[in-house]
Amino acid sequence: EAGVAQSPRYKIIEKRQSVAFWCNPISGHATLYWYQQILGQGPKLLIQFQNNGVVDDSQLPKDRFSAERLKGVDSTLKIQPAKLEDSAVYLCASAGQGSTEQYFGPGTRLTVT
Amino acid sequence: GESVGLHLPTLSVQEGDNSIINCAYSNSASDYFIWYKQESGKGPQFIIDIRSNMDKRQGQRVTVLLNKTVKHLSLQIAATQPGDSAVYFCAETYSARQLTFGSGTQLTVLP
Repeated sequence: EAGVAQSPRYKIIEKRQSVAFWCNPISGHATLYWYQQILGQGPKLLIQFQNNGVVDDSQLPKDRFSAERLKGVDSTLKIQPAKLEDSAVYLCASAGQGSTEQYFGPGTRLTVT
Repeated sequence: GESVGLHLPTLSVQEGDNSIINCAYSNSASDYFIWYKQESGKGPQFIIDIRSNMDKRQGQRVTVLLNKTVKHLSLQIAATQPGDSAVYFCAETYSARQLTFGSGTQLTVLP
């Protein structure tokens, strides 16, 4: 089966600009996660969706980050405006209904200058 | 919140030797643990998991050991191969809540 797809793979922007990332989970996976992975650290959960509803967004900086999964399939994560400290890899993962095994996409490497 | 940490940031082993990667966790309520492998430019890949009602679980060339008394988790890789070179993360969760990842150990396999 096809894995989790993410685009773009790389993005360079200046601070205060906006950026959006896209994720297409594994077909049929109800749960979708967005993680932020700063260089040298483990991934940190930003938001978790169950179908098109938000399950956990407690660690999402809501003043600048937003995410949506309108039809319960694809998802977008947006940062507006970006800060230097947002430079990181943004990983999307998905899991099947009732499963704890998460499948990760390749990530989007964001550099904010 | 509580976090999961790793003892060593880097580990170098000779090809063919066994590798042991350690992880300390602080949340005594954690009931599920996972080891992930992350190669450069890729997302984390599931290796093996273990629930808190077990103390050992084996997979193909990998074994995870869980010591709840000292809150310690380890990943053993038998006959380490060059393709095993990567960063390894342990992650923990409780009651199916969000995963908390450690900071990772870079494993380098020497020829």
